Amino acid sequence: QQQVKQSPQSLIVQKGGISIINCAYENTAFDYFPWYQQFPGKGPALLIAIRPDVSEKKEGRFTISFNKSAKQFSLHIMDSQPGDSATYFCAAKTSYDKVIFGPGTSLSVIP
Amino acid sequence: DTEVTQTPKHLVMGMTNKKSLKCEQHMGHRAMYWYKQKAKKPPELMFVYSYEKLSINESVPSRFSPECPNSSLLNLHLHALQPEDSALYLCASSQDLRTEAFFGQGTRLTVV
Repeated sequence: QQQVKQSPQSLIVQKGGISIINCAYENTAFDYFPWYQQFPGKGPALLIAIRPDVSEKKEGRFTISFNKSAKQFSLHIMDSQPGDSATYFCAAKTSYDKVIFGPGTSLSVIP
Repeated sequence: DTEVTQTPKHLVMGMTNKKSLKCEQHMGHRAMYWYKQKAKKPPELMFVYSYEKLSINESVPSRFSPECPNSSLLNLHLHALQPEDSALYLCASSQDLRTEAFFGQGTRLTVV
């Protein structure tokens, strides 16, 4: 119930392409869904986040799509760049409870 | 200042040593966290402090001992660690338990 599933485990995208990472959850009490980006040897950095009353949120080249009925959400990275190569974690939490992380997706953007 | 600062960046310690990891934030956040991260895995929550009181202990072995001296500082005291405790130790903070957490750069710990 507390698990967040994430796919794919790894992703290779051509420069300029669209990177898509999908996540799913079971616990309907989750009310906050952040995405974190982590470069090797660094701490995770909050990238973008969404609450379930919104179906889509866009910040620059990064878009979260949220499907409450399917209990799924996804990250789209438009015009992917080599500098986007990192590990991406989706996550979910309820108010006053801990963040549950997905297992992560290793993204490589090749020139 | 929007940073969570962790020291040291790297630490090598023997199994009989005692050492401490330090974390500092000046964002006025009232919740602070310790996470442990192994290679190619997501961060695992260890401890949560809220308003300087221990709020969550995720059944962490007693060889890890957290301390929150004030609202800006968080320490993790280490003693009698095992080689399998080698990992990236991350500190994070948030305005309160409801809001998003901001992570520090981590301390890379190696136990020999």
